[in-house]
Amino acid sequence: KAGVTQTPRYLIKTRGQQVTLSCSPISGHRSVSWYQQTPGQGLQFLFEYFSETQRNKGNFPGRFSGRQFSNSRSEMNVSTLELGDSALYLCASSRGLAGSYNEQFFGPGTRLTVL
Amino acid sequence: QKEVEQNSGPLSVPEGAIASLNCTYSDRVSQSFFWYRQYSGKSPELIMSIYSNGDKEDGRFTAQLNKASQYVSLLIRDSQPSDSATYLCAVENAGGTSYGKLTFGQGTILTVHP
Repeated sequence: KAGVTQTPRYLIKTRGQQVTLSCSPISGHRSVSWYQQTPGQGLQFLFEYFSETQRNKGNFPGRFSGRQFSNSRSEMNVSTLELGDSALYLCASSRGLAGSYNEQFFGPGTRLTVL
Repeated sequence: QKEVEQNSGPLSVPEGAIASLNCTYSDRVSQSFFWYRQYSGKSPELIMSIYSNGDKEDGRFTAQLNKASQYVSLLIRDSQPSDSATYLCAVENAGGTSYGKLTFGQGTILTVHP
């Protein structure tokens, strides 16, 4: 079974630009969660999508947004990039079933550098 | 108080020893608990999940959960140099507003020396 894939793996952008990251979950998984990992803040939850609906959102500014497509693939977008947005962006997929235990499996991540 | 706290580390153990990693959490409605291993420059890899009080063993790994004490631990027996990594404790809360959200501890760096 193929794992979670993320593209691109590395990105270099300048302040003020916008960026779109993509995530394809494990086949059969309908939930995609996004996280930001930095040395100072660790792993922080951005948002979660299930069946094309955002069910949960973390404490990040509105510059961070996402969406999910009918095939469960998800994208996240960061507009007006700031230096502090430099981080490893991780997506994780799970079955996402309510009332059930859902293990999350991470993709390899996208390393974003903002100059 | 942080929602999920891990022993600060770094933790250094000799090859063949037992490594003990600890984690406490603050929210009593937490229902799912996970241990991830993250090698430098890589993404987190799920190694254990535990949902009910007691011990859960998988190979050289044992997870222990005590909901009354809000405590979860990971024991690694017969530690190997390849176990050297950062170990992340993650907690998922019950309830609809917690969909898909794992709250992570800051991680414990483990070094196993030959």
